[in-house]
Amino acid sequence: KAGVTQTPRYLIKTRGQQVTLSCSPISGHRSVSWYQQTPGQGLQFLFEYFSETQRNKGNFPGRFSGRQFSNSRSEMNVSTLELGDSALYLCASSPGQGRIAYNEQFFGPGTRLTVL
Amino acid sequence: GESVGLHLPTLSVQEGDNSIINCAYSNSASDYFIWYKQESGKGPQFIIDIRSNMDKRQGQRVTVLLNKTVKHLSLQIAATQPGDSAVYFCAENGNTGNQFYFGTGTSLTVIP
Repeated sequence: KAGVTQTPRYLIKTRGQQVTLSCSPISGHRSVSWYQQTPGQGLQFLFEYFSETQRNKGNFPGRFSGRQFSNSRSEMNVSTLELGDSALYLCASSPGQGRIAYNEQFFGPGTRLTVL
Repeated sequence: GESVGLHLPTLSVQEGDNSIINCAYSNSASDYFIWYKQESGKGPQFIIDIRSNMDKRQGQRVTVLLNKTVKHLSLQIAATQPGDSAVYFCAENGNTGNQFYFGTGTSLTVIP
């Protein structure tokens, strides 16, 4: 079974631009969560989608948004990029339904975003 | 907000020795904790979890200890191997449902 895939793996943008990152979950998984990872703050939860609906949301500004498609693939968008948005963005998929079964949650390799 | 911290940012151990990685959490309402391993260029990988109604849980070569009195979590790795070299971090749920709070991680280096 293929793992979680994220595209692109690396991205360089400039301040003020916007960016869209993509995540394809493991086949059959319906829950997709997004995380931001930085050296100073560690891993921080952005949001979680299940059946095309945002089910949980972290404490990030409205510039960070996401969506999920009917095939469970998910995208996240960051508008008006700031230097501080430089980070590794990870998505994770899990079977879904009830509360996330973290022992069944699998992470992708991440997208490394650099904002200049 | 939540605060999940690690006592040591780096740890070096000899191959074959046991490793102990520590984590402090601040939310006494947290009832579920997870340890993750993250290798270079990869996403985090679930290692082991523990619920607040337990003090200890063992897996394959790993043991997690939970001390709720002092809000401390530790991960013990027995007979550490070169493949164990990675960043390890803990996470707590803060009893908020599906949102977890993660520590910044401890980098473990195994010396052959």
